[in-house]
Amino acid sequence: DAKTTQPPSMDCAEGRAANLPCNHSTISGNEYVYWYRQIHSQGPQYIIHGLKNNETNEMASLIITEDRKSSTLILPHATLRDTAVYYCIVRSRSGNTPLVFGKGTRLSVIA
Amino acid sequence: GAVVSQHPSRVICKSGTSVKIECRSLDFQATTMFWYRQFPKQSLMLMATSNEGSKATYEQGVEKDKFLINHASLTLSTLTVTSAHPEDSSFYICSARSEGSAASGANVLTFGAGSRLTVL
Repeated sequence: DAKTTQPPSMDCAEGRAANLPCNHSTISGNEYVYWYRQIHSQGPQYIIHGLKNNETNEMASLIITEDRKSSTLILPHATLRDTAVYYCIVRSRSGNTPLVFGKGTRLSVIA
Repeated sequence: GAVVSQHPSRVICKSGTSVKIECRSLDFQATTMFWYRQFPKQSLMLMATSNEGSKATYEQGVEKDKFLINHASLTLSTLTVTSAHPEDSSFYICSARSEGSAASGANVLTFGAGSRLTVL
């Protein structure tokens, strides 16, 4: 079973920041937080991952709380092409293990 | 970055026939690939883990004789849906980790674009 809890859906105005929350209260010390997204009828796309420090790349920023029980994915300037289902997944950084997907958050970016 | 290619992207077949889906890792080797299935408006469900040179490991409830997986090389895994029926209609997606890359150190999996199977 997925170890994360996400809101089922969110809306965001185009050009505004999209903040997607994720609860992972049972995360263990060696588990990272990974974010993927799936645009309709496509395979999932990796976005970002982190352990305990905040992370930023060309796609997004990841803010992880100090107790690591929750995190927020931030898309700084959402576009219509960011409309997708976003999945927050906790997983060990080591080992060749699969990703276990929960239901994710369906983000709709509105013009 | 690492790319995983799936073929075909769409396939329609008659009930009772078999369909093969290919998953290739481009420019990298993958000792392990994962196969997922996704029904409409649902999340991805892991079907099996494909291991190069050995038998696949299937998740509970997935029929190994119906979903044949072959991982004959470090760049190719195939999923064959045997005697397909309408209830097998789904979106099948594979994924792999690029061995020896920065992405592999981060344990990032790359996904194919998926294969949509429709069984009439």
